[in-house]
Amino acid sequence: AQKVTQAQTEISVVEKEDVTLDCVYETRDTTYYLFWYKQPPSGELVFLIRRNSFDEQNEISGRYSWNFQKSTSSFNFTITASQVVDSAVYFCALRNSMNRDDKIIFGKGTRLHILP
Amino acid sequence: DSGVTQTPKHLITATGQRVTLRCSPRSGDLSVYWYQQSLDQGLQFLIQYYNGEERAKGNILERFSAQQFPDLHSELNLSSLELGDSALYFCASSVAGQGSRTEAFFGQGTRLTVV
Repeated sequence: AQKVTQAQTEISVVEKEDVTLDCVYETRDTTYYLFWYKQPPSGELVFLIRRNSFDEQNEISGRYSWNFQKSTSSFNFTITASQVVDSAVYFCALRNSMNRDDKIIFGKGTRLHILP
Repeated sequence: DSGVTQTPKHLITATGQRVTLRCSPRSGDLSVYWYQQSLDQGLQFLIQYYNGEERAKGNILERFSAQQFPDLHSELNLSSLELGDSALYFCASSVAGQGSRTEAFFGQGTRLTVV
């Protein structure tokens, strides 16, 4: 069975602090894809990043970085020098693609408040 | 702009009624997903279609149904509406199956309010 757990329901940090959002996943498949999405107060869902299970390189994009660790089934997301505009709900998601059923399962999300 | 179009953006209707939500996927995407997001809830997967066929089913109520048409647009039908069906309904599309483009892109959502 597939499952994504975001244990942090809500986090508040002061602007310019670094913050890490945790994501732990469960899957029996050997090939799968992990994603992070951002949902700002306006409500739309914005795709941030995809990580393939066969590519364990970490990625950095500006102030965002992602740490994929297969050994611990985790795909954590770090925002460096946070800004008020980073305030949003962040979702981690998982998709298997070896089977006919390749739905995308989301975690419950982490609500991030960046305080000025 | 994700390229996924959902209509209408807002919908207010009474209990017991039936509504249809529409989704046009991104050009070239064969897979369409429907999700429900209730207040303070995560994204609940409802159903997925691929090239006109149902591919995966989640916690979709029997009062709800969906289909994907030959032009790949999809509709989600919600009937006998209850107050608890009030939610944000998202449609997403992606290139299904293996390959480099496996992420899904979401529409702006339809906010359904049942009164």
